[in-house]
Amino acid sequence: DGGITQSPKYLFRKEGQNVTLSCEQNLNHDAMYWYRQDPGQGLRLIYYSQIVNDFQKGDIAEGYSVSREKKESFPLTVTSAQKNPTAFYLCASLNYRDSDTEAFFGQGTRLTVV
Amino acid sequence: KNQVEQSPQSLIILEGKNCTLQCNYTVSPFSNLRWYKQDTGRGPVSLTIMTFSENTKSNGRYTATLDADTKQSSLHITASQLSDSASYICVVSAAGTALIFGKGTTLSVSS
Repeated sequence: DGGITQSPKYLFRKEGQNVTLSCEQNLNHDAMYWYRQDPGQGLRLIYYSQIVNDFQKGDIAEGYSVSREKKESFPLTVTSAQKNPTAFYLCASLNYRDSDTEAFFGQGTRLTVV
Repeated sequence: KNQVEQSPQSLIILEGKNCTLQCNYTVSPFSNLRWYKQDTGRGPVSLTIMTFSENTKSNGRYTATLDADTKQSSLHITASQLSDSASYICVVSAAGTALIFGKGTTLSVSS
């Protein structure tokens, strides 16, 4: 089955720790995104990548880092510099070459700081 | 600045009734507009996608409209069901840049 997979579904982090959220897609899409969603709020862009080995900061990149070493994978690291990391994180992929192609989302990772 | 505004922020309707959600955007250059449904704790799922030349598109009980001149879109839900309770997100794609999300409309359908 083609799709986009996020793992884990739930993640607990102690204060001061770095954690990495996984996002893998087998859709052969060029572009991948990371969004953060807080209760009652819309999605906010953290980072995006339009091609392998290249990525851009979104609106709320501080305290996060990403890599794009492979087309299929776009992991997000939440560093200890992120002061309020508890949120729902969504990964998405999109193929820009076809304007009719929809964006596919993973099922999300809920990160909680304990 | 590229922006997507949705209204209302939340909506409560009785099962079986119709409703319309609004999306206004200031995105340029416009590529396409999508409506997504997001159930609580899940990833958004696409309902419709509309390009510049399309005015209306239906997906079952969901009908989306697009007026590219006024930069407005609507999502009409007919004969609502309890399972329609979710957040509905309008997403506009600007050519060559990332997706621009609206904050969503939370719909609650009650029996």
